[in-house]
Amino acid sequence: DTGVSQNPRHKITKRGQNVTFRCDPISEHNRLYWYRQTLGQGPEFLTYFQNEAQLEKSRLLSDRFSAERPKGSFSTLEIQRTEQGDSAMYLCASQEGNTEAFFGQGTRLTVV
Amino acid sequence: ELKVEQNPLFLSMQEGKNYTIYCNYSTTSDRLYWYRQDPGKSLESLFVLLSNGAVKQEGRLMASLDTKARLSTLHITAAVHDLSATYFCAVGTNTGNQFYFGTGTSLTVIP
Repeated sequence: DTGVSQNPRHKITKRGQNVTFRCDPISEHNRLYWYRQTLGQGPEFLTYFQNEAQLEKSRLLSDRFSAERPKGSFSTLEIQRTEQGDSAMYLCASQEGNTEAFFGQGTRLTVV
Repeated sequence: ELKVEQNPLFLSMQEGKNYTIYCNYSTTSDRLYWYRQDPGKSLESLFVLLSNGAVKQEGRLMASLDTKARLSTLHITAAVHDLSATYFCAVGTNTGNQFYFGTGTSLTVIP
């Protein structure tokens, strides 16, 4: 098992474009989280999946953001009509029960 | 919303010294995590604390949890340069599955 994998690692996009990130969790981990981190801050919760069900969403997740986890395996996070304020590191984590949550390397998004 | 506060925010310490990072949180929780983050990197799991009085140690780091005081500590013993990083605590809620991160403590160990 190679841990949590995120793609792409870096993404530069023009304002107004749509972007999609992918997260492959550790196999058989039923919990999957998306967090966003800006420079000098702690990660902020965006959304949580238990298997394929999206059970929690943060107020930070505006209607431009959507996340899916089809079949309870990999997950995608899409941002539509990107804004400069969306520039951040997007982190995915997976977890089995209340054990350690393992984070991927993140996708660094820059909106120009 | 659960609030998590860490202090200090910045810590500069000499090699060989001991110090403690504090993590306070605002509501009842049943799980607390400590992570390490190097610049430009992701988060590395250090400890998971799931009960009152839990204590875990790994090398020069020791974490403890007091759920009654809503406080966790990360104690550093005889610091070495390799410990320089940002340390985050993250607290789970009893009413949901997400966990909330503190502001982080940026640790610099000076030779």
